[in-house]
Amino acid sequence: GESVGLHLPTLSVQEGDNSIINCAYSNSASDYFIWYKQESGKGPQFIIDIRSNMDKRQGQRVTVLLNKTVKHLSLQIAATQPGDSAVYFCAENRAAGNKLTFGGGTRVLVKP
Amino acid sequence: EPEVTQTPSHQVTQMGQEVILRCVPISNHLYFYWYRQILGQKVEFLVSFYNNEISEKSEIFDDQFSVERPDGSNFTLKIRSTKLEDSAMYFCASIRQGRTDTQYFGPGTRLTVL
Repeated sequence: GESVGLHLPTLSVQEGDNSIINCAYSNSASDYFIWYKQESGKGPQFIIDIRSNMDKRQGQRVTVLLNKTVKHLSLQIAATQPGDSAVYFCAENRAAGNKLTFGGGTRVLVKP
Repeated sequence: EPEVTQTPSHQVTQMGQEVILRCVPISNHLYFYWYRQILGQKVEFLVSFYNNEISEKSEIFDDQFSVERPDGSNFTLKIRSTKLEDSAMYFCASIRQGRTDTQYFGPGTRLTVL
């Protein structure tokens, strides 16, 4: 069946260092991927997305990498700040549907 | 910046009671969604809605659930007879037009079934 999963449930990072969050997906039909950030008590907040015809996309301090060969997605956060502490979810959208399938989430803890 | 809003922020109900969760999507958006997140778990798709009808629903969305867009602004999720396992955060989301448009989420309603 289709699934989107995360390798690391918790990531502790020193303030100022870079963070890398990984995600694996199994549905080859997925053609659109999104990273969301969720702070405690809030809804998922869009960070960055990437379509399957790309392998890299950059935003402000964030970069998403897509490796379709191994069905792997990663989110890189440069110069991690205390405000980056949250749970990060990857989500995928299949070509045939319009729903998002979320991964299990990785908690990022930024140490001062 | 326009945002999705949801009310109430927290709903406590007795098992077997009906609840209605309300959402106001972003005004020019055409596609609407409900998701839920059981505490400590991932966000799960419930239903999508377009052009005044359900376009897709998950196996979670059984006959106890229904959605409605009663007017031009509100989008509601009704649970007819709540069960303990319905306790979760319920998120409404909307997108403007295309499937790869950004899906914006509301702050959620925490439903507690006693």
